[in-house]
Amino acid sequence: QQPVQSPQAVILREGEDAVINCSSSKALYSVHWYRQKHGEAPVFLMILLKGGEQKGHDKISASFNEKKQQSSLYLTASQLSYSGTYFCGTERIGMNSGYSTLTFGKGTMLLVSP
Amino acid sequence: KAGVTQTPRYLIKTRGQQVTLSCSPISGHRSVSWYQQTPGQGLQFLFEYFSETQRNKGNFPGRFSGRQFSNSRSEMNVSTLELGDSALYLCASSLLGIGYGYTFGSGTRLTVV
Repeated sequence: QQPVQSPQAVILREGEDAVINCSSSKALYSVHWYRQKHGEAPVFLMILLKGGEQKGHDKISASFNEKKQQSSLYLTASQLSYSGTYFCGTERIGMNSGYSTLTFGKGTMLLVSP
Repeated sequence: KAGVTQTPRYLIKTRGQQVTLSCSPISGHRSVSWYQQTPGQGLQFLFEYFSETQRNKGNFPGRFSGRQFSNSRSEMNVSTLELGDSALYLCASSLLGIGYGYTFGSGTRLTVV
């Protein structure tokens, strides 16, 4: 049930763009995106709810295709501060509990160099 | 406003001992989730509490348990520690859980020797 992220790692030069993908085999209620820098806690970037939507946050945006159960995170004109590991989290409603669980992918390591 | 506070930050325990980790969520947040983070497995879900009730539990042995108090503060307990329990344990709070972003604490780094 763990979502699959790709690629596993990306190396960019400052100013370049990147796309990180997240896919699930199960029906999702929402998709979350987080960034974790080395030695720090994951930081919430955005949440996309089912219904298919796209969100933007400065030069970082994301889309959620509910039919395909896929989400993509777009980083444009990357900055040094974008370096870190990006995790997608997929939220599903448990069949038995009726409550949601947020399950994370293994992460995509992004390194932006000058 | 204050973030999610986890204590202690670091802990070294011996195999067979037990440990209790604490998490204070953001004021007003009623949902608290616990995750284990290791280099090989990433973020693994342990359990989620809401208004003192465990709503969901991950695939961890019964040695892992938790609870939530009326003020939303949460504790996680691991009994009979094993070497494989060495990890970063992260607590995350959310306003209501579903459909809301999580705010993570800095974590407790547990080392079992």
